[in-house]
Order: sequence, then structure tokens, then C-alpha cells
Amino acid sequence: QSALTQPASVSGSPGQSITISCTGTSSDVGGYNYVSWYQQHPGKAPKLMIYDVSNRPSGVSNRFSGSKSGNTASLTISGLQAEDEGDYYCTSYRSSSTLGVFGTGTKVTVL
Amino acid sequence: EVQLVQSGAEVKKPGESLKISCKGSGYSFTNYWIGWVRQMPGKGLEWMGIIHPGDSDTRYSPSLQGQVTISADKSISTAYVQWSSLKASDTAMYYCARRDGLTHFIYWGQGTLVTVSS
Repeated sequence: QSALTQPASVSGSPGQSITISCTGTSSDVGGYNYVSWYQQHPGKAPKLMIYDVSNRPSGVSNRFSGSKSGNTASLTISGLQAEDEGDYYCTSYRSSSTLGVFGTGTKVTVL
Repeated sequence: EVQLVQSGAEVKKPGESLKISCKGSGYSFTNYWIGWVRQMPGKGLEWMGIIHPGDSDTRYSPSLQGQVTISADKSISTAYVQWSSLKASDTAMYYCARRDGLTHFIYWGQGTLVTVSS
């Protein structure tokens, strides 16, 4: 099963905004509003940041927002902070799979 | 408080068998699917499979079908991944997570590191 495509790395200075893209097809990202985003710090379990394209779980900062256009979903982090450094993964429901599919992952660096 | 607590790190030799666990607490274990995720060293996240502890309905990733067995014992609120013959390529961190929506898993275990080396 092919993964969703994410940029390998994105960087920004403290206080700036960055956007991470997640590109799929009409069979996954484009066809359903079931895209989630996870943050992972080294040696830690993933943490859900956004679900169903643009919803934030309780306790997640409103600096994190999600959107979708066509076959590409996006995660925007505004007011970038040092603690936002880590790896970010998107995941989407896919019509051919009960499990869905992860993105390739993006390393976020705060300069 | 919802918690998923996984069994500890394992070091095994190729060909050995292994069963790792994920114990849920703080919620009705039989009402939520439990998913398993593999993360090989330095690599991304990969779905392995998912099980509904209420009726043991299990779905596997096509790439891992036949390589592992996912099971659950609802009497002790525990899900498992089992290997009958480990390979070096099974070396990875394994996470369990509770499915709260089609693609969203809010609660995760701490991970179990499996190292397979001769």
C-alpha cells in the first residue's frame, strides 16, 4: 500500500507559521473527510493533534489547525515554538483498506 | 483515566516466538477497536492491524497478513501481537492505540521495543 506524500522536512523560526502538506488521491484524502495528524517526539508515542481534517482534540493548542483542498490535506502550526519540533504524520481513511494509510512523515525544525 | 500499558522491551533471536501485550484500563475495553502500529528504526509509522476486543473481529495490513497474529482477551482487557518465528526485520518499536474514530486514535501505549538479533 502506497503511503501519503509529505515533505521530508519543514523549518521555521519561533513565532512564524509553517504548513505541512499531505497528498493522496481521490480514494483517500480527496474522497473522505477522515484525515488526522499526529505529532511524535523522539522516543515517544504519537500524539493526536487534528482529526477529521480540522478538529482539535481536547487539550491541543489552537496554534494547530487543519484543512483540505482536493487530494491534499494540510497542517498549519502558527506561532511556532521550540516544543513543536518533532515528526508529524498525516493519516487518512482509504476506501480499499480498513486500516487507513499513514503519510511518509515530516520533520519539523524550529530554527 | 484511560490508559494503555504495554509489556516491556524484548530481545530475541531469529526464529524465536514472542507475544507482546497492551492492557487497557479506565474505559470499557470491549467497546473500542485497538490498533497496532509498527515503527522500524529511523522510519515512519505503519499500521499492522486492528482488533475489536468485543468480538475479536480482526483486520490486518496486507503487507503483514500471515506474519503476525493479533488477538485479545477481553476478560483481562488485554490485546496482543504474536510472532511464531521472528526475523531480524521485525526489530521495531510497536505501539497499541485505542481507535476513537475512523482515523483517529487519542490514547496510545508507551510502546514496546522488540530487538531481534543473533
